Amino acid sequence: EVQLVESGGDLVQPGGSLRLSCAASGDTFSVYAMHWVRQAPGKGLEYVSAISRNGDYTYYADSVKGRFIISRDNSKNTLYLQMGSLRPDDTAVYYCARKVGSGDSYYFDYWGQGTLVTVSS
Amino acid sequence: DIQMTQSPSSLSASVGDRVTITCRTSQITSSYLNWYQQKAGKAPKLLIFAASNLQSGVPSRFSGSVSGTDFTLTISSLQPEDFATYYCQLGLTFGRGTKVDIK
Repeated sequence: EVQLVESGGDLVQPGGSLRLSCAASGDTFSVYAMHWVRQAPGKGLEYVSAISRNGDYTYYADSVKGRFIISRDNSKNTLYLQMGSLRPDDTAVYYCARKVGSGDSYYFDYWGQGTLVTVSS
Repeated sequence: DIQMTQSPSSLSASVGDRVTITCRTSQITSSYLNWYQQKAGKAPKLLIFAASNLQSGVPSRFSGSVSGTDFTLTISSLQPEDFATYYCQLGLTFGRGTKVDIK
């Protein structure tokens, strides 16, 4: 069975950095594009970033562009999110999700359990 | 940009009730609108993909349909385990969620 396991969430001061990881197992990681989606406390789901199967293409929400970097290591079946210049409004549970489909026609069939990032002094 | 409006934001229902949740898009678009269920403290779970396709393992009381710009998630007979928050998703956009709680 497919499993996605996030790690790396922590309490960090404003302006700080953090790297999240998402370890995949149970299927061929390299054939799927991957996304990061976050959820602020008590709020809805928000797209953060996406990366193509081989890492050639990356996408970012305007709210994180220039501060976050998404990457992947298919040899390690792992997705990453390098987060910098963190702000209090980045506080959220961060989920990795596996994308099925292409273009504008896709869905997320597997999600990790989430990792909590708290930005506070 | 396509706008998406999910309604209602919350509803109270009883076990056995029929429940409908709607996402309306601002224009006719891809049919790949998807529905997720999220229970407190848990990750979202895919229920319906491409408007009306039931994800493997999801009970058949869940169904999805589309009419023009209106996408609907229906729970035919609400069960105790269905009390949760439901989200629609189209591309990079998620609806604001519908919390279903016990009447």
